[in-house]
Amino acid sequence: DAKTTQPPSMDCAEGRAANLPCNHSTISGNEYVYWYRQIHSQGPQYIIHGLKNNETNEMASLIITEDRKSSTLILPHATLRDTAVYYCIVRVRDQAGTALIFGKGTTLSVSS
Amino acid sequence: GAVVSQHPSRVICKSGTSVKIECRSLDFQATTMFWYRQFPKQSLMLMATSNEGSKATYEQGVEKDKFLINHASLTLSTLTVTSAHPEDSSFYICSGEGPLGDTQYFGPGTRLTVL
Repeated sequence: DAKTTQPPSMDCAEGRAANLPCNHSTISGNEYVYWYRQIHSQGPQYIIHGLKNNETNEMASLIITEDRKSSTLILPHATLRDTAVYYCIVRVRDQAGTALIFGKGTTLSVSS
Repeated sequence: GAVVSQHPSRVICKSGTSVKIECRSLDFQATTMFWYRQFPKQSLMLMATSNEGSKATYEQGVEKDKFLINHASLTLSTLTVTSAHPEDSSFYICSGEGPLGDTQYFGPGTRLTVL
């Protein structure tokens, strides 16, 4: 079962920051937060993951609250190509061979 | 990031025939690969976990005799849909566990249509 809760949909204007929230109130101490996205008719694309510290890479930033019960994925300057379904997933990192379990995700629509 | 390919990207077959889908990790060795299925407007559903050199582990409700999985090398896993029927029409996606074992990388998916 998915352990996260995300809003079903969000809208964002092109060029603005997109902030996608995720609740994971039952997260365990050894579980990481992963974000993937799926553009229509493609396989999911890895974005970022983190444990408790904020993380940033060339695609996005991940902000995790101090109690780790929620997180926010930030796309700093959304473009039309960022329109996709975004999935927030928690997974025990040290358990190699453990599959990612996908929930329903958030459909982000970026418009000009 | 690591690259995973799938072949074919799209296949149409007649009911009752078998279809093989290949999943390859191109620039890393994947000890574990995963197979998912996705129906229209739904999320990805895990079908099975495949470990190199051993039998796959199937999720509840997935028929192992219908969906044959072979993981003969660290870079190749195959899914064979045997005696396909129209209800097997779906988007099949594989993933491989990255070289550090902490991230999974997904293939582009295979669209199967059974007539």
